[in-house]
Parts: sequence; structure tokens; C-alpha cells
Amino acid sequence: EDQVTQSPEALRLQEGESSSLNCSYTVSGLRGLFWYRQDPGKGPEFLFTLYSAGEEKEKERLKATLTKKESFLHITAPKPEDSATYLCAVQANAGNNRKLIWGLGTSLAVNP
Amino acid sequence: DAGVTQSPTHLIKTRGQQVTLRCSPKSGHDTVSWYQQALGQGPQFIFQYYEEEERQRGNFPDRFSGHQFPNYSSELNVNALLLGDSALYLCASSRQGVNEQFFGPGTRLTVL
Repeated sequence: EDQVTQSPEALRLQEGESSSLNCSYTVSGLRGLFWYRQDPGKGPEFLFTLYSAGEEKEKERLKATLTKKESFLHITAPKPEDSATYLCAVQANAGNNRKLIWGLGTSLAVNP
Repeated sequence: DAGVTQSPTHLIKTRGQQVTLRCSPKSGHDTVSWYQQALGQGPQFIFQYYEEEERQRGNFPDRFSGHQFPNYSSELNVNALLLGDSALYLCASSRQGVNEQFFGPGTRLTVL
């Protein structure tokens, strides 16, 4: 069964303290892996799509990487405004499958 | 360029009632997906609409139904509401053949 597991569940960092979030997945052929940011009570905000092992994408203080079994979201020198829940989702490459399978997210708090 | 819009923002219903939620996709998008997100959980896929037809459905009962209109906007209908239907309902739009989905702000449904 297709599955996504994110760790840690929650992470508290000091401003400027770099760290990484993990997303491990089991899927019958990967069409794409997606990272989203979600603020409380709001819809997820798209960050990155990764398609193949070895691929990397960057946006400001965020960098996403992908291997055959997991993805990392690296946060460099985070600021308090980076506080949010970061969600990972995968789309399986199986026929007409369109749905995204989501992890439970990592809740990140960055203290000033 | 307007993003994905949803209405209403909040809704309170009682058990047994019926509810209709609405979504307008991002300009240029023709595909709409609906998700249910319980507190502290990742989004759960309900179904996806393209060309006014349901293309794929998640593990939700028939009480959940939808519709897509010629202008690509969509409705989610839930009949015979249960307490467990209380959640944030998210609409995401995308373009046919493009994997990235963009989310609206969600509708918070409370069933009493």
C-alpha cells in the first residue's frame, strides 16, 4: 500500500539554527513528490515538486532533495516566519491515478 | 491573477443536514480535486473532477458527491452529515497533464 511518513512530528528551532525534515515514502512507482507549507486554518501552499532521485530544488531558505526512498526538506538559517506545518505528498505513477497521498506533516516552530 | 477560491469560509450544521461547498479554480486550470483534512492530519483525497466528470475517488461514502460546471468551478455535497464530517475541506486545482495542485483557503465545516 502506498504510504508517506514524515518525521519528526514537531520541531522547535532557534532562529538561525539549520535543520532537516524527513519524508519517507512507499509507492508503486513515483510520478512526483510534493512539498507544501500550511499555516494554521489555511490551505497548503505549494513549495516544490521532485520527480527523480538526485533531484534538488531551492527556494529562499528551503532546499528539497529526493532519493529512491525519501525526501529531505533542508531549512537553512530559519526565521520565525518559517514557522508552519510542512506537508509531504506523493503521486503514484499507476495508470490514471491522480490522487495525492499525504503524510501527517512536521510542525515547525522557530523561536526568535 | 486570482488563486483558488472557496466559499463559504466557515459553516456550522447539525447532524443529518446536507451541505454544499463551492470552489473556483485558479485561472487556466481545468481540474479540481477535493480533500478532507481533520485537525492534526494530512489531507485525505475525496475525488477529482475533469471535463465535468468524476475521474477518481478516494475511500469516502456515497454521501459525498460532487459536480463540475462548464466554467470548471466545482461543488462538493455532503448528505446526512455526521459529527465525524467536521473538518477543513480543501479544494485544489491543476491543469490537465501538470502534476502540481494549488489549494484554496478551505471551508471549515463544524457538525453539531
